Order: sequence, then structure tokens, then C-alpha cells
Amino acid sequence: GAGVSQSPRYKVTKRGQDVALRCDPISGHVSLYWYRQALGQGPEFLTYFNYEAQQDKSGLPNDRFSAERPEGSISTLTIQRTEQRDSAMYRCASSLGAGTGTYEQYFGPGTRLTVT
Amino acid sequence: TQLLEQSPQFLSIQEGENLTVYCNSSSVFSSLQWYRQEPGEGPVLLVTVVTGGEVKKLKRLTFQFGDARKDSSLHITAAQPGDTGLYLCAGGRANNLFFGTGTRLTVIP
Repeated sequence: GAGVSQSPRYKVTKRGQDVALRCDPISGHVSLYWYRQALGQGPEFLTYFNYEAQQDKSGLPNDRFSAERPEGSISTLTIQRTEQRDSAMYRCASSLGAGTGTYEQYFGPGTRLTVT
Repeated sequence: TQLLEQSPQFLSIQEGENLTVYCNSSSVFSSLQWYRQEPGEGPVLLVTVVTGGEVKKLKRLTFQFGDARKDSSLHITAAQPGDTGLYLCAGGRANNLFFGTGTRLTVIP
């Protein structure tokens, strides 16, 4: 079956512009996660959803970052007034479960954001 | 800020050698996962350990969860070039995962 997909795969934007990154999780997966990953480093948690509810947004760097998952499926990570320090690989992952268990996360290919 | 520190950060060894990667934290986790990531791809799960002291073996890979559930290790026996990649530990807490800093392994033929 289809895995997690993300779009666009690459995004180059000018400083000050807004960007929207999309994640399409595996069908039926309850939980959806957003991470930011620097080259050679582990993913850094940003936020996650169970269904349409945002459970934890403590990893969002500042109020320019926001995320939504209005129908409990596709999610959008929005960065307003982008800055060069926002340049990174943004990864989305989904998992089957919700609750207190730890389930395998399936990662998407990521969106490489470059802010010039 | 990442809760889990991995060591070493980089490791380059000859084919056939053994190695151990460590994952340490001051926090307690309900579970510990190990992922491997290839260049240009997302991380892929290798194993999940949930009980303090638990040991799991996956062919030449041995994973251990510390007794206090704060640390873990990954041991690879007779490393092969196909083991090359970025190894990531991830601590589970309340349906969330916190990834380690990563260990870049290169196995030289």
C-alpha cells in the first residue's frame, strides 16, 4: 500500500514569505507527527496529532510555526515570515495507534526547505 | 534540545569488526526504539524494547534496554558494508517519540 507522502519534496522560498508543507499519512493511521531534521542528526520533534486533535505542540520553535489536521488525515505545517534559520528537512511520520503505547512510526520522504 | 544522547557520533570500522552504539538519557521512557536511516530516506524501525533489562536480537544486531529504562545499546557483530547508515534511538513516552542525536556508521569493505 501507499506510504506516507509529502509535498513539495523541495521548496525554495525568499525570506519573509509564508510556506505550507503537506503530509498525507498512511490511510487509517491515527497519529501524525512533524519533525525537523538537520543533516546527520536525529529528527527533532515539532508537534503531533491524534486524529484531528493537536496533542503536543511543544516542539514548535516559535509562533511563526503552526500545524493543522482538520479532518484527521492530511496535515499542513505552515511557516509564516520564513527566516534563513528555518532551512531544514521537514519530515512527517504516521503511526497506527493512539493512546499510551509506542507504535512504529512510518516516515515520509521529507520536504527540503531552503530559505534564501 | 534532544533528550537522548548517542555515542559515538561517528564510527568508521572495517568489515568484520564488532561495534556498540550507546543511547543515554536522564529521563525514563516507557519504550525505546532503534531506527536506521539511509541517505535521502526517512528512518525505518529496527526494533522496539519495552521492559527494563530487555535484550532483543535481530540477526547480527543485539539491542538492550537499560534496567532503569533511561538508556540503551545497539551491538553489531561482524559488521558488513550493508550496515552503513545513520542509527537513531528514540524514547517513547505517552504516544510520542523523542529521537537521539544519531550515530553515523560507515563499514569499509
